Amino acid sequence: ILNVEQSPQSLHVQEGDSTNFTCSFPSSNFYALHWYRWETAKSPEALFVMTLNGDEKKKGRISATLNTKEGYSYLYIKGSQPEDSATYLCASGYNQGGKLIFGQGTELSVKP
Amino acid sequence: EAGVAQSPRYKIIEKRQSVAFWCNPISGHATLYWYQQILGQGPKLLIQFQNNGVVDDSQLPKDRFSAERLKGVDSTLKIQPAKLEDSAVYLCASRLAGGGTDTQYFGPGTRLTVL
Repeated sequence: ILNVEQSPQSLHVQEGDSTNFTCSFPSSNFYALHWYRWETAKSPEALFVMTLNGDEKKKGRISATLNTKEGYSYLYIKGSQPEDSATYLCASGYNQGGKLIFGQGTELSVKP
Repeated sequence: EAGVAQSPRYKIIEKRQSVAFWCNPISGHATLYWYQQILGQGPKLLIQFQNNGVVDDSQLPKDRFSAERLKGVDSTLKIQPAKLEDSAVYLCASRLAGGGTDTQYFGPGTRLTVL
């Protein structure tokens, strides 16, 4: 059974703090790693898709890294803002068909 | 470009009742997914369509859940009869046909409460 784990489950930070989350996934037969941001009452929003070992992606203050050999990805947020408050989901894909196995998410709360 | 549309956004029903959810994917997206997200867990794939054919329904509880995608566009997911453990957010997503690195675009979900 493929299992994707995220840590921590929840995180409370002050505005301006930098933070990071971890996504662990089985490395065998790995195909792609996806990160999503899901704000309450909205659609999950795609942040990154990564495939190559050592890949790094950046979008504004958010960046992500990928290690496919050891099976983990980090998501970093620099200078957190209240609008960054959301649940951050990672999902690992294991075939070309696009089936994703999701982690349980990290719930981030940023206080002004 | 319009996103993935879902309705209703919220639904409250009694156990043993029936319920149906509707999804309209992004125009031109051949692949459509239904996910179930139970509180505290990540979304779990229920069924994947490629055009109007089923690609993967291995985790769909077929004794009570059914789904169809007529004409390869809109899709409906039905639960009949509902159980308490079906309380969850039901997410629909779509993707351009192609490799597994393509982004899946999600709708806002339907939050189902079974009493």
